[in-house]
Amino acid sequence: GAGVSQSPRYKVAKRGQDVALRCDPISGHVSLFWYQQALGQGPEFLTYFQNEAQLDKSGLPSDRFFAERPEGSVSTLKIQRTQQEDSAVYLCASSLLGHLMNTEAFFGQGTRLTVV
Amino acid sequence: GDSVTQMEGPVTLSEEAFLTINCTYTATGYPSLFWYVQYPGEGLQLLLKATKADDKGSNKGFEATYRKETTSFHLEKGSVQVSDSAVYFCALSDISGGSNYKLTFGKGTLLTVNP
Repeated sequence: GAGVSQSPRYKVAKRGQDVALRCDPISGHVSLFWYQQALGQGPEFLTYFQNEAQLDKSGLPSDRFFAERPEGSVSTLKIQRTQQEDSAVYLCASSLLGHLMNTEAFFGQGTRLTVV
Repeated sequence: GDSVTQMEGPVTLSEEAFLTINCTYTATGYPSLFWYVQYPGEGLQLLLKATKADDKGSNKGFEATYRKETTSFHLEKGSVQVSDSAVYFCALSDISGGSNYKLTFGKGTLLTVNP
């Protein structure tokens, strides 16, 4: 399909393990976003890319979280030394433009991370 | 900071009943307002949006009106169907301060429609 694709869909990690979550945005979309959704909560903003530039990483909860989009397409969210509080669904979204007044953000199905 | 408050769920209705899901917001600037829907096993999808006061967003029989005076964006549908069963999220994007790409979501409201 032509939607936003995330992999893996499910990830179980032992506490202290490093994980990498992948996002394939819709082809041609300039903007890419990562959100974290804890159980029973709404998604919370993590970070924003315009092409390969990370313009906002204010939502990353700690320096254990790192995101990259080196060629302006696929993005990876990396979490080092995972903790139980990192357990959540990680959502990726992409849009043709950045501002959301005139464009739509399309979301992937998410990666459910469980830290045990 | 910006925030969105939605009515607590879950909401259970019979088919053809009237639906209202309340949403109020707090924003420092002049936000755009959205309703997203998440069907079981699927990603978030934009349902409707409104970008200025008194605008009405509508889609698939759902409507919401941007009320600046009451800082609200309540979702309504006159006759729900079983296929409307999903989680509904109210959200805003504040165009002031340069953060017009960021969505702030409410906690979501689970709707179950029984036949």
